[in-house]
Amino acid sequence: QVQLVQSGPQMKRPGASVRVSCKASGYTFTIYGISWVRQAPGQGLEWMGWISTSSGDTNYAQNLRGRVTMTTDTSTSTAYVELRSLRADDTAVYYCTREGSPPADYWGQGTLVTVSS
Amino acid sequence: QSALTQPASVSGSPGQSITISCTGTSSDVGGYSYVSWFQQHPGKVPKLMMYEVSNRPSGVSNRFSGSKSGNTASLTISGLQAEDEADYYCSSYTSFRTRVFGTGTKVTVL
Repeated sequence: QVQLVQSGPQMKRPGASVRVSCKASGYTFTIYGISWVRQAPGQGLEWMGWISTSSGDTNYAQNLRGRVTMTTDTSTSTAYVELRSLRADDTAVYYCTREGSPPADYWGQGTLVTVSS
Repeated sequence: QSALTQPASVSGSPGQSITISCTGTSSDVGGYSYVSWFQQHPGKVPKLMMYEVSNRPSGVSNRFSGSKSGNTASLTISGLQAEDEADYYCSSYTSFRTRVFGTGTKVTVL
């Protein structure tokens, strides 16, 4: 069965960087893209960006460009998102989703990233 | 890219029908048939309920239906049930080749 398993919770200081992983199984990794979505505590969903797992092409939300990088390792069917220069308002649950048709049909379990001094 | 506009809350009694609206612009909702809807119960992972405006993924009840007119998409839940109480988010592809989510709607079953 399709699964997206994300790395565990992390706590970071303001100004630091964080990397979250998302390991896919149960399907051919390079057929579907991966998107990242985050949700601040008590807030709505925010689309962060998308990566093509076959070509590595990316497209990021405008408000995160310059601070975010999405990558994949096809040898391990794992996607990564790195966010730099962390601020308190980056505190959120970060989700990876499988992108194809239908879009976002499978989600990872979520990774809580807390940014606090 | 501004979030799509949804009502903060919608409520209905069991068995009734409710409709959640999702308003964007011609650069997102109005320009593409790539509107999705997600259901999120408290503390849970979002679940895809509708895609490409009116397509239901396998396993989603046919009590859920989607439509679009101009810059506004809608999700209708008919025969409202207690288990439908959750937050609902719309999402659309945009002319910037990005996606944008709606502000979210809390559905309450009275």
